[in-house]
Amino acid sequence: GAVVSQHPSRVICKSGTSVKIECRSLDFQATTMFWYRQFPKQSLMLMATSNEGSKATYEQGVEKDKFLINHASLTLSTLTVTSAHPEDSSFYICSADPWDRVFNEQFFGPGTRLTVL
Amino acid sequence: DAKTTQPPSMDCAEGRAANLPCNHSTISGNEYVYWYRQIHSQGPQYIIHGLKNNETNEMASLIITEDRKSSTLILPHATLRDTAVYYCIVRPRPTGANSKLTFGKGITLSVRP
Repeated sequence: GAVVSQHPSRVICKSGTSVKIECRSLDFQATTMFWYRQFPKQSLMLMATSNEGSKATYEQGVEKDKFLINHASLTLSTLTVTSAHPEDSSFYICSADPWDRVFNEQFFGPGTRLTVL
Repeated sequence: DAKTTQPPSMDCAEGRAANLPCNHSTISGNEYVYWYRQIHSQGPQYIIHGLKNNETNEMASLIITEDRKSSTLILPHATLRDTAVYYCIVRPRPTGANSKLTFGKGITLSVRP
């Protein structure tokens, strides 16, 4: 199967700072990547759909100016949490959709644990 | 708008088959049934998907009822490493942006020694 990586795996930051999370598809190209957030004991919630070369599409209730998404290449999407606050502490997971549709499933990264102090 | 309903939890003995049910009574003709699982503090992992025929791969079997309103994921010989939250998801054939997955609460499978 295809591999998706995320970096960093874990980050602790102070309130008010910005944090960038990278999502890479290692052995395939992805025109579409997705960003999810998961709070403890809850399910994954889709935040936004990231399209290579165009603006991301955000789900209702997700602030696009707070969660900046850039999908500059077919193998890399980044999520920047700007002016992070403790309530942004969560498990952030990306997934990538292979553009050539050889596969019918999405591939998920291992997740990034964000803790905002 | 939950399209699937699953029991919150179940357990099974190691080495035995685990049968995980899922109801999707409002499934449309063009929607597939997908199963993913999430082991604690990891990203979800694809297991299997199907449209109307039963499917089997190296991980599991998927049995879809004839009316397609429910399905069962079968792990033939559960191991302790199969302890996870299993998500049943219905969606159209993925084509780019409509590939997004909507996760419900899933079913927590606990495999006991």
